[in-house]
Amino acid sequence: QITLKESGPTLVKPTQTLTLTCTFSGFSLSTNGVGVGWIRQPPGKALEWLALIYWDDDKRYSPSLKSRLTITKDTSRNQVVLTMTNLDPVDTATYYCAHRRGGPYCNNVICHAFDFWGQGTTVTVSS
Amino acid sequence: DIQMTQSPSSLSASVGDRVIITCRASQIIGSYLNWYQQRPGKAPELLIYDVSSLQRGVPPRFSGSKSGTDFTLTITSLQPEDFATYYCHQSYSIPDTFGQGTKLEIK
Repeated sequence: QITLKESGPTLVKPTQTLTLTCTFSGFSLSTNGVGVGWIRQPPGKALEWLALIYWDDDKRYSPSLKSRLTITKDTSRNQVVLTMTNLDPVDTATYYCAHRRGGPYCNNVICHAFDFWGQGTTVTVSS
Repeated sequence: DIQMTQSPSSLSASVGDRVIITCRASQIIGSYLNWYQQRPGKAPELLIYDVSSLQRGVPPRFSGSKSGTDFTLTITSLQPEDFATYYCHQSYSIPDTFGQGTKLEIK
């Protein structure tokens, strides 16, 4: 059974750095094809894709946020960490992490879709 | 970035109705199109992947189709639990992009 859970601060001041942790179980980030992504959702708005890391440490970022984001993994601890610098009130949102598969390892499995999501963690950016 | 134009943004319907939600991609995305359902205060849940494949446990009243760069989510015989917000998602090229969402409300 795959589960993911986000953790981090609920309130951050403008210009500060946000560090979010996704702790997961039921899969390993050392398995070929496996990835974890981050998606956020401002209050009352649509989903926005942020970043993605794969089993082979391939990292992808939203171009509009790339200069502010860093995604890393700790395979032994089953965690993925997203860091976002220079926070602004427009970064107020619920942040989700989600499981995904990709690459050439897609036989008989769901690929290129976020098939399991964490419950989300709400981050407010305010002074 | 690939733009996903989703319509309508909101929709009122009754239990038992058939509804259609559409997403148009700004360029070719092959079959890299997924649909999610999000209930208030909850995380999105994968409904359909690769245009038309149902996630495990999703009832067959949900279906997806494609015509060129136009993608459709159809829900037949709406049930009370189907009233939620729906999002399309393209994973053809980075950055992934989502549609703006369709809020399905009870008439």
